[in-house]
Amino acid sequence: EAGVTQFPSHSVIEKGQTVTLRCDPISGHDNLYWYRRVMGKEIKFLLHFVKESKQDESGMPNNRFLAERTGGTYSTLKVQPAELEDSGVYFCASSSSGNTEAFFGQGTRLTVV
Amino acid sequence: AQKVTQAQTEISVVEKEDVTLDCVYETRDTTYYLFWYKQPPSGELVFLIRRNSFDEQNEISGRYSWNFQKSTSSFNFTITASQVVDSAVYFCALSEAQAGTALIFGKGTTLSVSS
Repeated sequence: EAGVTQFPSHSVIEKGQTVTLRCDPISGHDNLYWYRRVMGKEIKFLLHFVKESKQDESGMPNNRFLAERTGGTYSTLKVQPAELEDSGVYFCASSSSGNTEAFFGQGTRLTVV
Repeated sequence: AQKVTQAQTEISVVEKEDVTLDCVYETRDTTYYLFWYKQPPSGELVFLIRRNSFDEQNEISGRYSWNFQKSTSSFNFTITASQVVDSAVYFCALSEAQAGTALIFGKGTTLSVSS
């Protein structure tokens, strides 16, 4: 069974540009989460999808971040326009309905220069 | 508010040494889950263990063991006879008992095991 996969693994963009991160959860997992770790700090929750609906987006830092999960399968996280402080590692995780065990992807390392 | 503290930022040991990674948590919930994840150099977060707040029984899995103490709000992780492959960042996390809730992570402890 394939795990959670994220694309790209690394991205370097200039301030002001747009970047889209993608997450493919484990097949059949209704819950999909986005987290972010800024260098040296804790991993922080961004938002949670249940199927295609946003269950909790309280961790989204500002309106430059837009997450979608059309059809309840893969999800995208778009940052537009990117700022220097958006640099970090973005993790995606998924879990099945009723299960607290979340499986994480390898993360996307975003560097904004 | 919920919070997880991993006071040890970095730990360096020599192979075969035992090492304990500390985790202290804060929560007002009476039921919750505690987790440990490992992040090897490849980057992904690997699930190690989940513990329910009602289950204070310690757990051992090979060279790994976990000590859950509700009285001190701690969930410490010990690696016995450490190996170079144990080098990684280890994260402790907390969540409400309800499935689907977000994880609250500590800042992580970087463990370096040298040969």
